[in-house]
This record gives sequence, structure tokens and C-alpha cells, in this order.
Amino acid sequence: EDQVTQSPEALRLQEGESSSLNCSYTVSGLRGLFWYRQDPGKGPEFLFTLYSAGEEKEKERLKATLTKKESFLHITAPKPEDSATYLCAVTSGTYKYIFGTGTRLKVLA
Amino acid sequence: NAGVTQTPKFQVLKTGQSMTLQCAQDMNHEYMSWYRQDPGMGLRLIHYSVGAGITDQGEVPNGYNVSRSTTEDFPLRLLSAAPSQTSVYFCASGDNEQFFGPGTRLTVL
Repeated sequence: EDQVTQSPEALRLQEGESSSLNCSYTVSGLRGLFWYRQDPGKGPEFLFTLYSAGEEKEKERLKATLTKKESFLHITAPKPEDSATYLCAVTSGTYKYIFGTGTRLKVLA
Repeated sequence: NAGVTQTPKFQVLKTGQSMTLQCAQDMNHEYMSWYRQDPGMGLRLIHYSVGAGITDQGEVPNGYNVSRSTTEDFPLRLLSAAPSQTSVYFCASGDNEQFFGPGTRLTVL
């Protein structure tokens, strides 16, 4: 059964304190792994798609990496505006997306 | 370009009532989907569609019906609402990079 587990559940960082969020997955035939950001009361917002082990993508202070079993979302020198819930999702060839429960990030000024 | 729109934003129903959650997109995407989001459960796929006239079940389809008569619209129907369907519902459009609507907060009493 396809499964996604995110850790930690919650993370508090000081502004400028870099860290990483983890997404472990089990899927039969990965078609893609996705990262989204969700602000309170809003729908998720797309960040990255990763397709194969070894792939990396960057956007501003965020960098996503992928191995055969997990993905990391690295946050470099975060700012308070990076506070949000970060969601990871996977899909195989079935067009069914499986989401993790997310990591709630709080960046303190 | 409105992206993905959902109506209503809030709804309160009594057990046994029926209603339709509306979703529309203006990006000409073939793939559309419906999720529910509950505390501690993450986003769970209810139904999805890969094009007009084609729908399929996701992870939690019971109690919900969908149809897709046009590319733009993908309504979600609750035939007989139950308290277990109290949740926040998100519609999404696009495959790989999904664009989410703002959500509908549904309470079933």
C-alpha cells in the first residue's frame, strides 16, 4: 500500500536557523514526489515536483532532494514568512495522489 | 485567470441533507480531483477525473458522487450528509503540479 510519512510533525526555528523536513515514502512505481506549502485557512500551494532519485530543485530558501526512500525539504536561513505547513505527496501510475500529514513550521523573529 | 474556484466557502447541513460542492477551473486541465482535509489525517483523495466523462474513486469515496460533463467543472455531491463528513474540502486542477481551490468548510450536524 502506498504510504507517506512526514517528520517532524511540528518544528520551531529561530530566524536564520537552517533545518530540514523529512518525507519518507513507500510507493509501487514512483511517478512523482511533490512538495506543497499550506497557509492557515488556504489551499495548498505547489512548490516542487521530483521524479527520480538524485534529483534536486531549489526555490529561494527552499531546496528539495529525493532518494529512493525519502525526500528532504531543506530550508536555509528561514524567515518568519516561511512559517506554514509543508505537505509531501506521491503518485504512482494510477493518478492517485497520497499526501502525508505535513510538518507545521514556525519561524520566530 | 481565476485558477480554481470553489463554492460555497462555508456550509452547515443537517444529517440526511444533500448538497453539491461546486468546483471550476479556467486552465483547461484534464485532471481534476477532490480531497478532504481533517486534523491529523492530511489530505485524502475522494474522487478524481482525467477528462470529461471519466471519473474514478480515490481513497475515501463512500458517501460522495462526482460527474464531469465539461473540462471546466467538477462538482462533488453529498447525497445524504453524515456528521463524519464534517471536513474541509479542496478541489484541485492539474496533474503533477496541482492547483488547489480555497476550500469549502462543511459542518454536518
